[in-house]
Amino acid sequence: QSVLTQPPSASGTPGQRVTISCSGSSSNIGRMYIYWYQQLPGTAPKLLIYKNNQRPSGVPDRFSGSKSGPSASLAISGLRSDDEADYYCAGWNDRWVFGGGTKLTVL
Amino acid sequence: QLQLLESGPGLVKPSETLSLTCTVSGDSISKSGYYWGWIRQPPEKGLEWIASIYYTGTTFYNPSLRSRVTMSVDTSKNQFSLKLTSVTAADTALYFCVRHDHDNTGTNWFDPWGQGTLVTVSS
Repeated sequence: QSVLTQPPSASGTPGQRVTISCSGSSSNIGRMYIYWYQQLPGTAPKLLIYKNNQRPSGVPDRFSGSKSGPSASLAISGLRSDDEADYYCAGWNDRWVFGGGTKLTVL
Repeated sequence: QLQLLESGPGLVKPSETLSLTCTVSGDSISKSGYYWGWIRQPPEKGLEWIASIYYTGTTFYNPSLRSRVTMSVDTSKNQFSLKLTSVTAADTALYFCVRHDHDNTGTNWFDPWGQGTLVTVSS
């Protein structure tokens, strides 16, 4: 059982805005940076967001991260078919931990 | 451009030791401030951090796997390695090697990732 909880699935239509949550408790998420990774089908995960809301160079500004209290979120605006992937949140809590992952389907 | 490439046997028998190597190209594994690590993903499941190492040999392990894991580094070959003992079917997974990128505060994250190598534990 991970300290970071994600919904197993999410969906949206092209152009829509979707959010994926990553929840924990004030004692864990509340004191850790949250990172987001995107895993396209058949590929290795790729860093999407670091330190809660920072985008690495090359990541479109359609992707944004936020954190408030015991919860973090990844928002994807202008949803595209090639955003269909698994998304994982992660953080350091005396060890590196990952959320269970959210499978995003673009309808 | 930094690249990481995992290598090792794709099939390991139960109770034996899984050994993997990650070869780093495009930069030195001895570059100051960078840790290197292993993460695995069982089929159709999520990600699990295994362990990480600094070029000096300083390691930190996932407590849930610590008793079975050893990491080492070979700076002359620009490689780091993973050994996981007493494997069972539960250790069947895609194993990724990663670099810990970081900022000037020391905060770090996993970037980039290798392509991954599938290890199956079966007799």
